[in-house]
Amino acid sequence: GAGVSQTPSNKVTEKGKYVELRCDPISGHTALYWYRQSLGQGPEFLIYFQGTGAADDSGLPNDRFFAVRPEGSVSTLKIQRTERGDSAVYLCASSLRPPGSGSPLHFGNGTRLTVT
Amino acid sequence: SQQGEEDPQALSIQEGENATMNCSYKTSINNLQWYRQNSGRGLVHLILIRSNEREKHSGRLRVTLDTSKKSSSLLITASRAADTASYFCVTSGSGNTPLVFGKGTRLSVIA
Repeated sequence: GAGVSQTPSNKVTEKGKYVELRCDPISGHTALYWYRQSLGQGPEFLIYFQGTGAADDSGLPNDRFFAVRPEGSVSTLKIQRTERGDSAVYLCASSLRPPGSGSPLHFGNGTRLTVT
Repeated sequence: SQQGEEDPQALSIQEGENATMNCSYKTSINNLQWYRQNSGRGLVHLILIRSNEREKHSGRLRVTLDTSKKSSSLLITASRAADTASYFCVTSGSGNTPLVFGKGTRLSVIA
């Protein structure tokens, strides 16, 4: 595809439910990032993949959050037992090369998650 | 952390004026990037400046980098209403530390 695609664009779920958010990066991009953003704040780093492996998951807030990228392309962010505080826009980005190279990040339009 | 901090937090100018935003950081860097975000959704990469560069231009954008002061500035000349957005700087070092964003500068250009 032409850009990073995130689905769904909006997700409303009840407190305690499980959700999966999907990210399709640009073809050939080895690095993939997940961020979340609350209103008026900058994107908060969650996890970074280089290929299939999570190179840095230090931003995941707790063990309810998990992400996978099994074939080094599509990634899924999984949130268990959702809480109202998880409500935010979840952004995915990909880049051709690792972060230190200066390779620009290409962002998707995000998934707006609302936990009621 | 490679997080940059933008200043001011908010800026309001008239269309046609120039807008200047600043970024400060704490660690040594390989490069610094500026991003724009409209309407709270996906960010768009604007420009990258490497640590051995002092100034770079792209259209109406001018970026400067002063590694001795650990600071950068983004100048938007002849601003337009469409430039209304949040602007973020982000730095990266020699390793593969993921890019960490600050709170950004919220620019409003009034027609």
